[in-house]
Amino acid sequence: DTGVSQDPRHKITKRGQNVTFRCDPISEHNRLYWYRQTLGQGPEFLTYFQNEAQLEKSRLLSDRFSAERPKGSFSTLEIQRTEQGDSAMYLCASSLEGLDHEQFFGPGTRLTVL
Amino acid sequence: GEDVEQSLFLSVREGDSSVINCTYTDSSSTYLYWYKQEPGAGLQLLTYIFSNMDMKQDQRLTVLLNKKDKHLSLRIADTQTGDSAIYFCAESIPDTGRRALTFGSGTRLQVQP
Repeated sequence: DTGVSQDPRHKITKRGQNVTFRCDPISEHNRLYWYRQTLGQGPEFLTYFQNEAQLEKSRLLSDRFSAERPKGSFSTLEIQRTEQGDSAMYLCASSLEGLDHEQFFGPGTRLTVL
Repeated sequence: GEDVEQSLFLSVREGDSSVINCTYTDSSSTYLYWYKQEPGAGLQLLTYIFSNMDMKQDQRLTVLLNKKDKHLSLRIADTQTGDSAIYFCAESIPDTGRRALTFGSGTRLQVQP
């Protein structure tokens, strides 16, 4: 499978715990995006990387959220001190530079904060 | 700012055509997209259109763009039960330098056999 992959697919955690999600983009894609989708809504943009550089961050990305892409390949999204409002599907997408209009999405990580 | 709106629900019979509608905020240079999401799955890019186009057809899918009314539609011909899913309209505005997609809330398409 050469699509975008995400791990884990599901995560249940208690309020106050830290969680980390991983995204592996399509291998030749140098742009990587994170979105969050809550129940009944469309995805909302969180942040994006070009290679290892984080170039844009949404207001939704509070101080408790941090994303990295250290080698310009896979990316991690960490949420510290999780809150119940963080419960959502976290989606990753990737694209080629110059082809941002073709963003391909992974299956997502569903986070449930109890 | 950017805003994309869609109706919430559409029910059709198998074999009929489905038309899903979307309105968006204006821009001189915009890409408009249709994504499909099946239960528990990520988003599948179905098609996209640039704002200098009026129509795009791809097999059973036809996208129509009315720039005057800022209205986008997706027509699915010969709708099948496998087309049952949530369909998201999305917009991006490359001229702003932003790479994010702005999504609507999605239209749930139910196909009755």
